[in-house]
Amino acid sequence: DAKTTQPTSMDCAEGRAANLPCNHSTISGNEYVYWYRQIHSQGPQYIIHGLKNNETNEMASLIITEDRKSSTLILPHATLRDTAVYYCIVRTGGYQKVTFGTGTKLQVIP
Amino acid sequence: DTGVSQDPRHKITKRGQNVTFRCDPISEHNRLYWYRQTLGQGPEFLTYFQNEAQLEKSRLLSDRFSAERPKGSFSTLEIQRTEQGDSAMYLCASSPGAVRIYEQYFGPGTRLTVT
Repeated sequence: DAKTTQPTSMDCAEGRAANLPCNHSTISGNEYVYWYRQIHSQGPQYIIHGLKNNETNEMASLIITEDRKSSTLILPHATLRDTAVYYCIVRTGGYQKVTFGTGTKLQVIP
Repeated sequence: DTGVSQDPRHKITKRGQNVTFRCDPISEHNRLYWYRQTLGQGPEFLTYFQNEAQLEKSRLLSDRFSAERPKGSFSTLEIQRTEQGDSAMYLCASSPGAVRIYEQYFGPGTRLTVT
């Protein structure tokens, strides 16, 4: 699986959009970008994934650059409950294990 | 809500004792995963089942660790002769079959403390 690079931590004001970047310059053509988050004392939660097109669901939007070397997870209106560690993961599809890094700790500030 | 459940949520044990954790996946999911997470780190993969077959094991899974999924439903993870280094959160996840197999749904975890 390709490696990813994320900032260690970020702050975001409540109600504003949270934009979480991820670099994955060694991504290969069949690897997807996945995002999970982990709220304190809970198990990780799947958020969204994409291959090359931008994706949106009820939780977030995923913007992938044309060269696929980086992506941004967007939480459009951050709430205090979005405070969590966000993991960007690059992997092929299928049953394989998820390889987590250390993620970005997002703190939403009132 | 019929999400992934794990039992117990917390376990304190003395070094050298054996412990067993249970995971009940989402009922229609045939894939089940175990992960371990230490403080400040992301979860690390331990092992994976498809139905009752254990298809992959991490090198992290030493001989003291054994996992089973006898009927392809719930799974157990046993640690024999626990060591202080085994203290961690043990997470279970499951994913559906042919559709949306990439989404893994995690349980709340079992926090193990070895004294």
